[in-house]
Parts: sequence; structure tokens; C-alpha cells
Amino acid sequence: KAGVTQTPRYLIKTRGQQVTLSCSPISGHRSVSWYQQTPGQGLQFLFEYFSETQRNKGNFPGRFSGRQFSNSRSEMNVSTLELGDSALYLCASRRTGGDRDTQYFGPGTRLTVL
Amino acid sequence: QKEVEQNSGPLSVPEGAIASLNCTYSDRGSQSFFWYRQYSGKSPELIMSIYSNGDKEDGRFTAQLNKASQYVSLLIRDSQPSDSATYLCAVNARPGTASKLTFGTGTRLQVTL
Repeated sequence: KAGVTQTPRYLIKTRGQQVTLSCSPISGHRSVSWYQQTPGQGLQFLFEYFSETQRNKGNFPGRFSGRQFSNSRSEMNVSTLELGDSALYLCASRRTGGDRDTQYFGPGTRLTVL
Repeated sequence: QKEVEQNSGPLSVPEGAIASLNCTYSDRGSQSFFWYRQYSGKSPELIMSIYSNGDKEDGRFTAQLNKASQYVSLLIRDSQPSDSATYLCAVNARPGTASKLTFGTGTRLQVTL
């Protein structure tokens, strides 16, 4: 079974621009979560989508948004990029919304903001 | 106090030895606990999940959970150079928020020849 895929793998943007990242979950998985990983803050939860609805949200500004499509694929958007948004953005999928479902991570998108 | 704490390391162990990685968490209501391994430049890879007090073994890996003391540990037996990586402890604090894992900063493990 194919794993979680993320595109693009690398991205370079300048301050003020916006960016859209894409995530395709493992086949059959309906939950997609997004995380930001930086050397200073570690791995931080951004939000989760399940059945096209946002279920949980972390402590990030409104510039960070997302959506999920009917085929469970998800996109994450960051508007008005700041230097501090440079990070590895990870997508993780789960089979259902159950509490014991394990999250499996994709390879990540490395975003650099200049 | 951080929600999930780990010693950043590096923890250096010789090949063939047992590596012991520890993690403490602050929320007593935490339900699910996970260990992920992350190689440099790669994404986290699930090693173990544990939900009940006690030990859970999977091959060379053993996870231990003690909810009363609020700690979870990972033992790696017969450590190999390929085990050299950062190990992340993750905790799901409350039911219904299973996706919202809180991660520790990770412990860097170095297995020496």
C-alpha cells in the first residue's frame, strides 16, 4: 500500500507571497493532519481534517489554513509568508477519527522563505 | 513546564548495548503514547504505540508506560548503528483530539561501533 505523499517536496518563496502544499493520504485513510517542524519549536500541530471538516486546530495564526476534498486529499495554504514560516511541513494520515488510530507521516515539504 | 519532555541528548551507546530513552508528560488525562524515529532530513516513522500501563514489546523495541508517574520509555535492545536517529515521544492528551499529538523535542541517539 502506498504511503502518504506530499507535493512539492521543496519550495522557495519570498516574504509576502502565499503557498499551497498538497497531501494525499494512505488509501482508505480519511483523516489528514498537518504539522510544522522547526529546529526551535520542534513538531507542532497545525490542524486536522476529517471527512472534509476541520476537527482540531493548533495555535497558529489565521494565515495558515487548509481544506480537504471528497477523496481525502488535503491542501494547506499559508498566506503573506514570513521568514519564520520556513520549516518542514508534514502531513500525517489516519484511517479513521478514532482515538487509537495511529498517524503515519508523509515525507514533508521543505519550505524556505527568503 | 513543557507538556512533553525529553532529554535532547545525544545519548551515546555502543553497538549491541541497550539504549533507554525516556519521556515525561504533564497532562494526567493523556490517553495514547507513541514513539517515532526520525533520521536527519527525513520525516518521523512510527516505532511503537502504547495505551495501557506496562510493557509492550515489538522485536528489539520495548515501550513502557507508567501513567501514575507520567512517564513513557523506549528500550532498544542490541542497538545497531542504523538506530542512530532522533527519537520523538508523542502524546495524545484527550479523547477526541487524537490527531492533536504533542511532541517532545526528541532525543538524539548515537550508536557507536
